[in-house]
Amino acid sequence: SQQGEEDPQALSIQEGENATMNCSYKTSINNLQWYRQNSGRGLVHLILIRSNEREKHSGRLRVTLDTSKKSSSLLITASRAADTASYFCATVLYGNNRLAFGKGNQVVVIP
Amino acid sequence: DSGVTQTPKHLITATGQRVTLRCSPRSGDLSVYWYQQSLDQGLQFLIQYYNGEERAKGNILERFSAQQFPDLHSELNLSSLELGDSALYFCASSVGTQGFQETQYFGPGTRLLVL
Repeated sequence: SQQGEEDPQALSIQEGENATMNCSYKTSINNLQWYRQNSGRGLVHLILIRSNEREKHSGRLRVTLDTSKKSSSLLITASRAADTASYFCATVLYGNNRLAFGKGNQVVVIP
Repeated sequence: DSGVTQTPKHLITATGQRVTLRCSPRSGDLSVYWYQQSLDQGLQFLIQYYNGEERAKGNILERFSAQQFPDLHSELNLSSLELGDSALYFCASSVGTQGFQETQYFGPGTRLLVL
């Protein structure tokens, strides 16, 4: 099964609103990463948060990590039409040298 | 543009055939990763090479193999193709010193259709 599970699966919002996505995982991780994919193109790395970090910011992105709940959230503030994409969380497990992706979360930002 | 190039962009072939996908990493990156994206399996890590040597293995089938050459480009060979191998195949690269702790830069992918 997929290590990362994003919730909700699809999100439709108006431009200017905030978008929040959650990701849960089952086992201990080394780090968790968020990626964006535009319409079947390559993935773009957004942010990496390590297991000993609780929050990270990058521009309009804010990622939190709660290792006690085994979950992470990605917040996109003041969304733009260009933010329309699929967003994936991916985890690197301790002792497991691979990147395991969730199923992805489709975000549509309506102009 | 990530700096990672993949060829070809599209590939249509028949069951039982063999194809080779090619990837050129960003200048200076030593690690190359291969991923498969399909509707039913999602995004799956296949294999990683670092400076010519296999570093990590994921859900790569025995019918698939990869290598990284001295100039650091990589090839993914898919043989005895089945309908279920139809997918988008991505290559990514990173500097390579910290493995999966690093930012990976993805290429645009090769879309494979097996008929």
